[in-house]
Amino acid sequence: AAGVIQSPRHLIKEKRETATLKCYPIPRHDTVYWYQQGPGQDPQFLISFYEKMQSDKGSIPDRFSAQQFSDYHSELNMSSLELGDSALYFCASSPSAQREGRDTQYFGPGTRLTVL
Amino acid sequence: AQKITQTQPGMFVQEKEAVTLDCTYDTSDQSYGLFWYKQPSSGEMIFLIYQGSYDEQNATEGRYSLNFQKARKSANLVISASQLGDSAMYFCAMIPPGSASKIIFGSGTRLSIRP
Repeated sequence: AAGVIQSPRHLIKEKRETATLKCYPIPRHDTVYWYQQGPGQDPQFLISFYEKMQSDKGSIPDRFSAQQFSDYHSELNMSSLELGDSALYFCASSPSAQREGRDTQYFGPGTRLTVL
Repeated sequence: AQKITQTQPGMFVQEKEAVTLDCTYDTSDQSYGLFWYKQPSSGEMIFLIYQGSYDEQNATEGRYSLNFQKARKSANLVISASQLGDSAMYFCAMIPPGSASKIIFGSGTRLSIRP
């Protein structure tokens, strides 16, 4: 079965640079979520999109922005990178709750961002 | 606010034994979902099992079962006949009602299976 695709899988950036992470949800999933997992931490919710509209916002820094496109893929844009942004960034997708009756989120493999 | 508590930072279990990973949660919502995810050392987050708050029967997926005790607000994961490949970090998580809701994770339990 098709899974969530994230690219790139690994990314190394310098401080103050920008980065763009991409997420392609499972086909027919219209909801996308972004999470950040620091070393030894549990994942923290950043932001979610439903039908291309932002639906919920968590602890996402102002330096970060995200959007969902017409084909439901999503991009997380990160500017003025800091050392503390080094983390594993997950994208997850879920089908519409109205259709499936629940909100199981399926995670992609993650993008490991290292800021030097 | 919702909260997930996993009190076992790490566990060691002999191969082929059953293991129970503890999870308690706190919420004032009547409708919610509970999940368990597995994160091996490679980093991916693998969905294991789901339990809805109104589900009357405990969820089961192969060797995984969820011991759901609603009155005690606990959702323990039971892995039967553990295998070496079960060694990983396990996260208990909860989702409040509503579509496109964020998942709230516990701090995780690192499970190590001994041969």
